[in-house]
Amino acid sequence: EAGVTQFPSHSVIEKGQTVTLRCDPISGHDNLYWYRRVMGKEIKFLLHFVKESKQDESGMPNNRFLAERTGGTYSTLKVQPAELEDSGVYFCASSQAWGGSTDTQYFGPGTRLTVL
Amino acid sequence: DQQVKQNSPSLSVQEGRISILNCDYTNSMFDYFLWYKKYPAEGPTFLISISSIKDKNEDGRFTVFLNKSAKHLSLHIVPSQPGDSAVYFCAASALNTDKLIFGTGTRLQVFP
Repeated sequence: EAGVTQFPSHSVIEKGQTVTLRCDPISGHDNLYWYRRVMGKEIKFLLHFVKESKQDESGMPNNRFLAERTGGTYSTLKVQPAELEDSGVYFCASSQAWGGSTDTQYFGPGTRLTVL
Repeated sequence: DQQVKQNSPSLSVQEGRISILNCDYTNSMFDYFLWYKKYPAEGPTFLISISSIKDKNEDGRFTVFLNKSAKHLSLHIVPSQPGDSAVYFCAASALNTDKLIFGTGTRLQVFP
């Protein structure tokens, strides 16, 4: 069974540009999460989808970030316009069932975003 | 304001010995705790977890201990192996939320 996949693995853009990250969760997983790790710091929660609905977006830093999950399958995270402080590794994770905080979250390999 | 803290950024242990990684938390609403392992250029991989109703959970060479009164948990790896060399993240979640709150990680190096 394929794990969580993310595309691209790396992205280097200039300040002010737009970048879109994609995440494909494990097939059949209703829950999809986005996290971010800024250099050397903790992995921080951004938001949580249950199917196509945003369950919790309390970690989204500002309105330059837009996450979507059309049809409840893959998700995209768009940063527009990108700022220097957006640099970091963006992880996507998925888990199977809703309502259980003990459902294991499986992480993808991450997208390393560098904003110059 | 960091709710989950891993105060040791790195740890070096000889192969065959015990590795002990520590984690402290401040939020008394946390009721589920996890350890993830991360290799370079990969995402975190789930290792072991513990519910707040328990004080110990064991899985092979890995044991997690929870001390609720001290708001402290630890991961014991015994015996340590070179393949255990990775960054270990402690994480916690509160009742009725799936959001994981992570620590900053501890880099474990197991040398021969």
